[in-house]
Amino acid sequence: DGGITQSPKYLFRKEGQNVTLSCEQNLNHDAMYWYRQDPGQGLRLIYYSQIVNDFQKGDIAEGYSVSREKKESFPLTVTSAQKNPTAFYLCASSISRGRHNEQFFGPGTRLTVL
Amino acid sequence: KNEVEQSPQNLTAQEGEFITINCSYSVGISALHWLQQHPGGGIVSLFMLSSGKKKHGRLIATINIQEKHSSLHITASHPRDSAVYICAVRANFGNEKLTFGTGTRLTIIP
Repeated sequence: DGGITQSPKYLFRKEGQNVTLSCEQNLNHDAMYWYRQDPGQGLRLIYYSQIVNDFQKGDIAEGYSVSREKKESFPLTVTSAQKNPTAFYLCASSISRGRHNEQFFGPGTRLTVL
Repeated sequence: KNEVEQSPQNLTAQEGEFITINCSYSVGISALHWLQQHPGGGIVSLFMLSSGKKKHGRLIATINIQEKHSSLHITASHPRDSAVYICAVRANFGNEKLTFGTGTRLTIIP
C-alpha cells in the first residue's frame, strides 16, 4: 500500500533537547511538507520541499530545520531554539507543488516537551 | 480576520440528520480542499474543487467562486462521520500555499 508514515506517534522530550520527527512516503511524490497544528488554530506551514536537495521556509520556520537527501524522506528537527515546540506535527506530500495537486497527509506525531 | 473562516465551530446532531458545514474565504483561489481529521489526528483529503459541485458517497461539496463560499454536506449522517472537518484554500497568487481554517468538530449521536 502506498502512503505516508510518520514516527513515532507520540514523542516526549525534555526542554532544551533537539528532536527529529520522521516522515517517509512511498508515493513517488516530488513535493513534501511539514505542518504544525495547535488547538484552535489552522494548520501552519513550517517547511516544504519541491524536489530532492531543495527546501523552502514556510510561515513558521524559526526553530526548525529539515533535510531532503532522498525523495521519499523529509525529516523535521525541532531545535532548542523553538520557543513553544509542544504541538501536533503533520507531514504531507503531493505529486508536485502545482496549484491543482492534492496533498496526502501522514498520521501525525504529537510532540510534548516537558 | 482569518483568510478562511468555518462555521459552525462545533456541531452535534442525531444520526440520520443532514449536515452542512460552511467555509468562507477572502482571497482569490485556484482550489479549495475539504479534509477530515479523525480523533487520532490523521487527515484524509475528501475533496478538491475549483468550481461547481462534487459528490462522493454521502458527502457533497459545493463552491461558489463569486461569493467566496463553499459548503460540505453529509446526508444520512452516521456516528462514524464524527470528526473534525477542515477547509483549506490555495491562493491563486504568490507561492500558492494552502491556508487552513480552524475546523468544524462534528459529533453524531446514535
